[in-house]
Amino acid sequence: DQQVKQNSPSLSVQEGRISILNCDYTNSMFDYFLWYKKYPAEGPTFLISISSIKDKNEDGRFTVFLNKSAKHLSLHIVPSQPGDSAVYFCAASGRRGGATNKLIFGTGTLLAVQP
Amino acid sequence: IAGITQAPTSQILAAGRRMTLRCTQDMRHNAMYWYRQDLGLGLRLIHYSNTAGTTGKGEVPDGYSVSRANTDDFPLTLASAVPSQTSVYFCASSDWSGGRYNEQFFGPGTRLTVL
Repeated sequence: DQQVKQNSPSLSVQEGRISILNCDYTNSMFDYFLWYKKYPAEGPTFLISISSIKDKNEDGRFTVFLNKSAKHLSLHIVPSQPGDSAVYFCAASGRRGGATNKLIFGTGTLLAVQP
Repeated sequence: IAGITQAPTSQILAAGRRMTLRCTQDMRHNAMYWYRQDLGLGLRLIHYSNTAGTTGKGEVPDGYSVSRANTDDFPLTLASAVPSQTSVYFCASSDWSGGRYNEQFFGPGTRLTVL
C-alpha cells in the first residue's frame, strides 16, 4: 500500500511558466515532508521541506504548500528553468509512533522544462 | 572525500553470488540508510542505522543485511543475489538536531544487475 503517492509520472512545462508537482499521503502520523530532486545517474538531492505546523514554506523559486485536511502537498517552481528538468520525489516522515527518521518516498514525477 | 561515496559504481553479478555494496560518509552523521530505486516504485528503504552499533529493517529488508561497526561506514550485503535484486542502490545519511533527524544526503548510487 503506497502511503505517499505522486499520481503524475511526468509533467511538461514551458520555460518561464509555473511548474506544479503534486503529492498525496495517507498516513496521518506523517508530520514532516520533503521534496528531493534527482538528475539521471546521480543521487537525489534535498530541495525543500515543510513541517506539519506550517502550510507554506518558500525558498527562492521553490514553494511547498501543505494541506493537512486533504493530506496533500504541492511543489511550485516559478519561473521554471530548463535546469529544473529532473525527477522530483516527495517524501514523508513521522515523529509520532517512533518513526523519527525513516522517509517514505513517492514514485516520482519527471519534470521536463521546454526552452 | 566530501559527502557520501559508494562503491562500486556499477556491477553485473551472477545469481547466487555474494556481493557487498560499500558506503562511506565523512559528515559524521549519526544515521545511515540504504534504499533501492526501481521504476514505478520510487525509493524504498532496505535497512537503516540510527547510530554506530545499531541497525533496523526498512520496507524491503529480505535478502539483504547490513552492519554499522563505526560512524562512517555502512556496507550492504546480498548473501545470495537473485535477479529481483537488480536495481539502483542509494546510500544516505542524516544528522540529529532540533529534536529530529534532518534531511538525508544521498550518495551517487550503485547500479546492480543480477543475471
